[in-house]
Amino acid sequence: EDQVTQSPEALRLQEGESSSLNCSYTVSGLRGLFWYRQDPGKGPEFLFTLYSAGEEKEKERLKATLTKKESFLHITAPKPEDSATYLCAVQADSNTGKLIFGQGTTLQVKP
Amino acid sequence: DTGVSQNPRHKITKRGQNVTFRCDPISEHNRLYWYRQTLGQGPEFLTYFQNEAQLEKSRLLSDRFSAERPKGSFSTLEIQRTEQGDSAMYLCASSPTGARTYTEAFFGQGTRLTVV
Repeated sequence: EDQVTQSPEALRLQEGESSSLNCSYTVSGLRGLFWYRQDPGKGPEFLFTLYSAGEEKEKERLKATLTKKESFLHITAPKPEDSATYLCAVQADSNTGKLIFGQGTTLQVKP
Repeated sequence: DTGVSQNPRHKITKRGQNVTFRCDPISEHNRLYWYRQTLGQGPEFLTYFQNEAQLEKSRLLSDRFSAERPKGSFSTLEIQRTEQGDSAMYLCASSPTGARTYTEAFFGQGTRLTVV
């Protein structure tokens, strides 16, 4: 069964303290791995797509990487506005494009 | 293009009542999805439309749930005889199809349902 597990469930950082979020996945045939950001009470906001092992994507203070079994979201020198829940999802079925999500990592960055 | 639009944003209903939610996808996106999200969890897939055809439904979608996408444009999700366990955020997403083997899905702001 396709499965996505994110760790840690919650992370507290001081402003400027870099860290990484982990997304481990088990999927029969990976068609894409996606990172989303979700603010309280809102829908997920698309951040990155990774397709093949070794691929990296960057956006401002965020950098996503992919291996054959997991993905990391690295946050460099975070700011309080980076506080949110970060969701990882995999797409195993290209016919439908449906996503299987992890439970998310809630990040709090304190000034 | 203003993105995926969902209405209403919030809905409070009494147990046993029927509710209907609407989703307007990004124009020209022919794929449309409904997901459900409970507190502290990631979204769970409910159903998928390719244009007007509903091509996949999750086991989570009981007989009380029905979704439509007439003319391949907006979609509605109806829940009949609501139960307290239906309380959740209902998310709609859309994506284009293309030559790539993967496509990004863009989500709306969701409809928060509370059944009392």
